[in-house]
Amino acid sequence: NAGVTQTPKFQVLKTGQSMTLQCAQDMNHNSMYWYRQDPGMGLRLIYYSASEGTTDKGEVPNGYNVSRLNKREFSLRLESAAPSQTSVYFCASSGASGANVLTFGAGSRLTVL
Amino acid sequence: RKEVEQDPGPFNVPEGATVAFNCTYSNSASQSFFWYRQDCRKEPKLLMSVYSSGNEDGRFTAQLNRASQYISLLIRDSKLSDSATYLCVVTTMDSSYKLIFGSGTRLLVRP
Repeated sequence: NAGVTQTPKFQVLKTGQSMTLQCAQDMNHNSMYWYRQDPGMGLRLIYYSASEGTTDKGEVPNGYNVSRLNKREFSLRLESAAPSQTSVYFCASSGASGANVLTFGAGSRLTVL
Repeated sequence: RKEVEQDPGPFNVPEGATVAFNCTYSNSASQSFFWYRQDCRKEPKLLMSVYSSGNEDGRFTAQLNRASQYISLLIRDSKLSDSATYLCVVTTMDSSYKLIFGSGTRLLVRP
């Protein structure tokens, strides 16, 4: 019963490097989300995908791209990492119980030097 | 002004105490309200939804006051395991997919 799985759990990048955070859910949920969490800021929505084939910007999309590869998978890409993108990233999904009820992955801690 | 505001705490209480947190929201058209719990270095997990009539789940009671634009969480008979950060969450009017998270209130329950 995996729920939402994110990889990698930890990553250190140098400024300008690129990377992709992977997320997969096995709950047959329609909607998937990427959030970042910074101290004192709360979780902020980067991008979301209300259903397979659609993606929309959230509150802080600049510097990120996403791909809803299929119903299960939703990836987040940093094309040219910046120190301001140092954060903890959470993937989440929601489904039959309502768009508002999120199940989160365990998080990916990213440091950009 | 933040859309969702919470006292960051920490609230430091002894086991068995009753503790209450409030959360204020700025958008009067907000529609849905939730409390999530987040343990240190873990992911947030839904604690409970907040209904207009208020709701209770064991030792936890959530209330909504639309007139004053705040929601509250009351924890009775605090346990050590209640130590966590409690996140207030509100949905926006334009999209139920855009949840707005407060920055959280930290609770420490001591023996």
